Amino acid sequence: EPEVTQTPSHQVTQMGQEVILRCVPISNHLYFYWYRQILGQKVEFLVSFYNNEISEKSEIFDDQFSVERPDGSNFTLKIRSTKLEDSAMYFCASSPRPDGEKLFFGSGTQLSVL
Amino acid sequence: DQQVKQNSPSLSVQEGRISILNCDYTNSMFDYFLWYKKYPAEGPTFLISISSIKDKNEDGRFTVFLNKSAKHLSLHIVPSQPGDSAVYFCAASESGNQFYFGTGTSLTVIP
Repeated sequence: EPEVTQTPSHQVTQMGQEVILRCVPISNHLYFYWYRQILGQKVEFLVSFYNNEISEKSEIFDDQFSVERPDGSNFTLKIRSTKLEDSAMYFCASSPRPDGEKLFFGSGTQLSVL
Repeated sequence: DQQVKQNSPSLSVQEGRISILNCDYTNSMFDYFLWYKKYPAEGPTFLISISSIKDKNEDGRFTVFLNKSAKHLSLHIVPSQPGDSAVYFCAASESGNQFYFGTGTSLTVIP
């Protein structure tokens, strides 16, 4: 069964450093998302992406964050200058439909900012 | 802003019995709802969805009920199996773009 893959599974970085989290969505999906889950808290929406543009973003997704689809397969989340509070599990998701039905999630990247 | 709430952090059920997981929401504009299951070290896995034009959707052992007037939905698992032990999240959306997740309910099915 096709799946969303994320790399790396764990990322440790120093505060202030830039990180790039990578995702390969399911190949025929057109709608892409990033969510995150801080330990012990709920899964939170960050951003949705379609047709090489951001469709919607949450308040969390400030100027430190950016997304890119650099080629036909990868979808990346960049955090320009990481803060301690950015430590979380980051999930990439993709969907074949714009209504978000059956979001397929990757297994996540655990980001630890020291 | 807890737009979606799952007030029971955990639930234990005997194998073969019914598991009922509950979810409440505050935004009356939500029109699409999903349930996800999550195992440790894995991403959430889609289980079942329901749109606001329905009050029930069934898929095998899983049934989701939606009560729009009460802003409440529930997931029923019958019969419960040990492999169902996981964290269950409900999520809600207005028009399907940004989903708001609850905090999850950890289900343990006891053999």
